Amino acid sequence: QVQLQESGPGLVKPSETLSLTCTVSGDSVYTNSFYWSWIRQPPGKGLEWIGYVYYSGSTTYNPSLKSRVAMSVDTSKNQFSLKLSSVTAADTAMYYCARTANWGTLFDYWGQGTLVSVSS
Amino acid sequence: EIVMTQSPATLSVSPGERVTLSCRASQSVSSSLAWYQQKPGQAPRLLIYGASTRATGIPARFSGSGSGTEFTLTISSLQSEDFAVYYCQQYHNWPPLTFGGGTKVDIK
Repeated sequence: QVQLQESGPGLVKPSETLSLTCTVSGDSVYTNSFYWSWIRQPPGKGLEWIGYVYYSGSTTYNPSLKSRVAMSVDTSKNQFSLKLSSVTAADTAMYYCARTANWGTLFDYWGQGTLVSVSS
Repeated sequence: EIVMTQSPATLSVSPGERVTLSCRASQSVSSSLAWYQQKPGQAPRLLIYGASTRATGIPARFSGSGSGTEFTLTISSLQSEDFAVYYCQQYHNWPPLTFGGGTKVDIK
């Protein structure tokens, strides 16, 4: 059974960097079969894809966030991570990590999500 | 960027009724269209991909159709556990992968 679990601070100050980690169990991030994505959802709103990382470390990001986003993978810990810099209140959202199939396009397993609020 | 538009925003339905949800793309996405279901307090769940293929474990009452720019998700007989928000997502042209704004199916 594939499971993903997000972790990280629930509160980040404006202009600082949001850092989250996703721990994967039941599968290995060191696989050429899947990509590993981050998706966010502001309270009461829809879904926004942030980007994905491949086991090799290669990444693809949403152009709207590309200048502020960095993703990485740690195969030794079976984790992947998200960093979002220069956050504002508009970055307040539930952040989900997801296993991504079909060459990085379909989200077949999701974490439960972690709420990150940006406030001073 | 391909913009996905869903209608209606909210649909009030009685259990047992047939439900049809619509999703429109701003340009053709061929059949590269997925549907997700999200219940309150939960992560989304993949229902349909390739516009019409049910994901593993998804009941047969869920069906998808369409191609190009117009897509439909149909629930043949709404069950109590189907009250949720449904999102469409295109994966024909990325980045970015984009979602529709969602349709909430609630109890009439």
